[in-house]
Amino acid sequence: DTAVSQTPKYLVTQMGNDKSIKCEQNLGHDTMYWYKQDSKKFLKIMFSYNNKELIINETVPNRFSPKSPDKAHLNLHINSLELGDSAVYFCASSQTRGVTDYGYTFGSGTRLTVV
Amino acid sequence: SQQGEEDPQALSIQEGENATMNCSYKTSINNLQWYRQNSGRGLVHLILIRSNEREKHSGRLRVTLDTSKKSSSLLITASRAADTASYFCAGDSWGKLQFGAGTQVVVTP
Repeated sequence: DTAVSQTPKYLVTQMGNDKSIKCEQNLGHDTMYWYKQDSKKFLKIMFSYNNKELIINETVPNRFSPKSPDKAHLNLHINSLELGDSAVYFCASSQTRGVTDYGYTFGSGTRLTVV
Repeated sequence: SQQGEEDPQALSIQEGENATMNCSYKTSINNLQWYRQNSGRGLVHLILIRSNEREKHSGRLRVTLDTSKKSSSLLITASRAADTASYFCAGDSWGKLQFGAGTQVVVTP
């Protein structure tokens, strides 16, 4: 049973397109996240939702819009894709925000390539 | 800018040797976590140390935290080829993990 699952695993698309990445967790966690890992392996938080409420919104272009229909799902929609959006996007979840003994559980990532 | 900086950037050792990597962070944290990432895969949580703890052990892992110096170290003892991966530290500030640049560890048989 995959704890945090992301789809698709790979996404190749042309500049200007709109795409979505989906994430689901079956751990019963309250908080979910989107992280971006660039080509140099730097990981940076983008968004966080706690029980469907947006609690962290880093400096991310408006073209990126997260949506959490329920606490087990967090999707990421990207409009007007640009070459610089090429990266690996990771979804993660944690029991609760900031206070945890168990760390965060990450999905396996979605490798987005914009051509 | 990155929350953490890790040292060394790369480490090559033989099986059976110990691997030590260090991490520094900039802002106050609730806890500090270490993750492993195998090539092309997701991050796997290894160990978490709270800001009021100084040392923690888990199997072959030993992590230390010095909040006065804003630094942490991860020691992997008796390394195995399967330990080959990138290792990241991440300071957790109220739900925001800020990652270091990572240490690439290669363990040769």
